Amino acid sequence: NAGVTQTPKFQVLKTGQSMTLQCAQDMNHNSMYWYRQDPGMGLRLIYYSASEGTTDKGEVPNGYNVSRLNKREFSLRLESAAPSQTSVYFCASSEALPEMNTEAFFGQGTRLTVV
Amino acid sequence: DAKTTQPTSMDCAEGRAANLPCNHSTISGNEYVYWYRQIHSQGPQYIIHGLKNNETNEMASLIITEDRKSSTLILPHATLRDTAVYYCIVRVGYNTDKLIFGTGTRLQVFP
Repeated sequence: NAGVTQTPKFQVLKTGQSMTLQCAQDMNHNSMYWYRQDPGMGLRLIYYSASEGTTDKGEVPNGYNVSRLNKREFSLRLESAAPSQTSVYFCASSEALPEMNTEAFFGQGTRLTVV
Repeated sequence: DAKTTQPTSMDCAEGRAANLPCNHSTISGNEYVYWYRQIHSQGPQYIIHGLKNNETNEMASLIITEDRKSSTLILPHATLRDTAVYYCIVRVGYNTDKLIFGTGTRLQVFP
């Protein structure tokens, strides 16, 4: 049981390059999330997916696209990377229940540098 | 959406109780209070959550005021490994399951 797995762990991109960050969870969770964390800052929500087939914008969606490929996988794409997107990216998953008393599990992060 | 306010940083001596406050004065009746922590640059880790009753688990206790406008996370016997950033989060929405993080409290446990 690996939990939430993110790939790659580290990446350096040149400005204007594109790439996709991969995230997979093996807990059969409905909800998945992408966050970014800039140095010395808290986590900011980029996009989330409440269930397979649905995605919604979070606080800072500009410059990103997401795909909920299936229940397990939720990918984040940078079409044209910019230095402002240098950050640590975290993927998370949780079960979505009407009672709302569920915890979210986080991956170990992808450290992205755009030069 | 309810917002939270936490002190930027706190210190605690090893072995003593760490009491981390959180203000959430605009919380709605069906919103839960969650606490997570982030050690160094790892992914955040769930600690505890509650609605209106006090809660305790193997990691911590959560005290929520009667009016639910504030809460306190208590680590009963802080250790050096508890040094981390602690986030107080109010669950956003009813069925959307979003988690919105603030800037958190940086807790430094010293020997």
